Amino acid sequence: DIQMTQSPSSVSASVGDRVTITCRASQGISNWLAWYQQKPGKAPKLLIYAASSLQSGVPSRFSGSGSGTDFTLTISSLQPEDFATYYCQQANSFPLTFGGGTKVEIK
Amino acid sequence: EVQLVESGGGLVQPGGSLRLSCAASGFSFSTYEMNWVRQAPGKGLEWVSHISSSGSIIYYADSVKGRFTISRDNAKNSLYLQMNSLRAEDTAVYYCAKQLLDGFDFWGQGTMVTVSS
Repeated sequence: DIQMTQSPSSVSASVGDRVTITCRASQGISNWLAWYQQKPGKAPKLLIYAASSLQSGVPSRFSGSGSGTDFTLTISSLQPEDFATYYCQQANSFPLTFGGGTKVEIK
Repeated sequence: EVQLVESGGGLVQPGGSLRLSCAASGFSFSTYEMNWVRQAPGKGLEWVSHISSSGSIIYYADSVKGRFTISRDNAKNSLYLQMNSLRAEDTAVYYCAKQLLDGFDFWGQGTMVTVSS
């Protein structure tokens, strides 16, 4: 099984800050990676697919990069509505696996 | 508008069974792969099962293999998860999710399953 390791597990940031979240796969997954945002009590929302493609309707301050084993989600200028938990997920092979999550908190 | 609406969750005793349903609308259900994903209280996301558009290809997480069965009825635009031999560790919110290549682009609101005596 492919293990997905996210870091950090939590980050404190202020509105306007640039935030970067890292996801590492235990083996190469090409660009078969997605990123999600989840707010308390809500279903996850797809932000990025194919490692760097922005899902329709998602603000352009979100971007994804990487290929192989190392991936990054960047929020260029944190907005109040961005405080949430973020997950990466690999779709290279079954079983599909998620990272442990990164909670973005208000500083 | 795409909608996924789960139902069938509830409180069940260890060893019991439940059948979850997911009613889909707003898209051509029969042409998309579907999944179940769960989230234990206060924990992260865990993929549970996948079914191809025709229902001919199915995968399960090791944690549910042999106990859970995924199925679909394309005529009824519905996805199902039959859960048998339930354990306390199966307690979670269960989401159905529509697959778009390598991501889940639409999710239901979730249905809570609690396994407890």
